[in-house]
Amino acid sequence: DSGVTQTPKHLITATGQRVTLRCSPRSGDLSVYWYQQSLDQGLQFLIQYYNGEERAKGNILERFSAQQFPDLHSELNLSSLELGDSALYFCASSAKTGDFTGELFFGEGSRLTVL
Amino acid sequence: GDSVTQMEGPVTLSEEAFLTINCTYTATGYPSLFWYVQYPGEGLQLLLKATKADDKGSNKGFEATYRKETTSFHLEKGSVQVSDSAVYFCALSDLDTGRRALTFGSGTRLQVQP
Repeated sequence: DSGVTQTPKHLITATGQRVTLRCSPRSGDLSVYWYQQSLDQGLQFLIQYYNGEERAKGNILERFSAQQFPDLHSELNLSSLELGDSALYFCASSAKTGDFTGELFFGEGSRLTVL
Repeated sequence: GDSVTQMEGPVTLSEEAFLTINCTYTATGYPSLFWYVQYPGEGLQLLLKATKADDKGSNKGFEATYRKETTSFHLEKGSVQVSDSAVYFCALSDLDTGRRALTFGSGTRLQVQP
């Protein structure tokens, strides 16, 4: 158990809809990362938050947005969903202290299926 | 930008066989290099890492050496077990920048048969 909790584990929805994925990082971790894992694109970095502020942006579509709340949990919002958005979305956390060692702690993922 | 290239899978081996999974990288700075493993139905977890040239990371019988001259970080294990069946990801991170997000390779699936 990594200590990172993601909900829901599975989600099935239709094209054009909007969903919200939730992540609770390890206790004390200040950074949250979102990754998308699909069969054709591999593991793609979407966005990083540190202590409530956006720190880095990767290949995140404009239809997607995220935020980190004062209690450090994070939400990834996906809107106007398309079939190609079907993927496993991982949240990871890091930085229990100020020193980043490169170790990310991953949740088990939220599997999104768009029909 | 930074990138990581891994050998295509799946790799299928018999138990106790020798394993090599190739990984090469492209980076502008001096990255740290990592191997992560993903067991079925689970998230990724760190397997080993190396932070500078010629460093060797090791864990659970797996090893990888940071080769700056060949920009490589190949994963090896002398004798694989069925329990090693998983997807292995090579990754890099430039720890000197504030970005700190890892760039992953596409992953290599390992299947070990008894």
